[in-house]
Amino acid sequence: TQLLEQSPQFLSIQEGENLTVYCNSSSVFSSLQWYRQEPGEGPVLLVTVVTGGEVKKLKRLTFQFGDARKDSSLHITAAQPGDTGLYLCAGGGGSNYKLTFGKGTLLTVNP
Amino acid sequence: DAGVIQSPRHEVTEMGQEVTLRCKPISGHNSLFWYRQTMMRGLELLIYFNNNVPIDDSGMPEDRFSAKMPNASFSTLKIQPSEPRDSAVYFCASSPGLNYGYTFGSGTRLTVV
Repeated sequence: TQLLEQSPQFLSIQEGENLTVYCNSSSVFSSLQWYRQEPGEGPVLLVTVVTGGEVKKLKRLTFQFGDARKDSSLHITAAQPGDTGLYLCAGGGGSNYKLTFGKGTLLTVNP
Repeated sequence: DAGVIQSPRHEVTEMGQEVTLRCKPISGHNSLFWYRQTMMRGLELLIYFNNNVPIDDSGMPEDRFSAKMPNASFSTLKIQPSEPRDSAVYFCASSPGLNYGYTFGSGTRLTVV
């Protein structure tokens, strides 16, 4: 069974601070996705990374896929209250249709 | 596009009653997934359909759960009889392919009392 561990589980910071959240596994994934979920809504896809070492940027968010494709990180620069939400990583295994989800990091950005 | 549409948004029912959750996927997406989300267990895959055919139902907790997809635009998840431990948020998601990611609906919050 492929497992994804996310850390930290909870993170509360002030507006303007930088932060990094992590997604780790002992398994290799062919692709890794990050989602953000707001209260009362479903997760929304932010990015997909497929190549070991790949870095993608989405405005103030930077996503990195580990060289061995077993881990990933999400860095947010100058966090804003609108960044508040549950950040989920999900790993895919090639032709395996199943996405394995981590339990998420609950981020609160205080004004 | 209206996205993935789920109904109802909230459902409160008594133990032993039948519950039916509904989902309309995005047109053209050939994969449909039902997930359950709880604080303790996170997102759990219940069942996956491809081209309306159930491919993997190994995540369905027990025989009380059943799912159907009679056509490309509609799916149901039924719980009969419902139990308090079934209380959770149930999500439907659709996708045109794995590396495209999933589009989730807004979920149905089920409370069984």
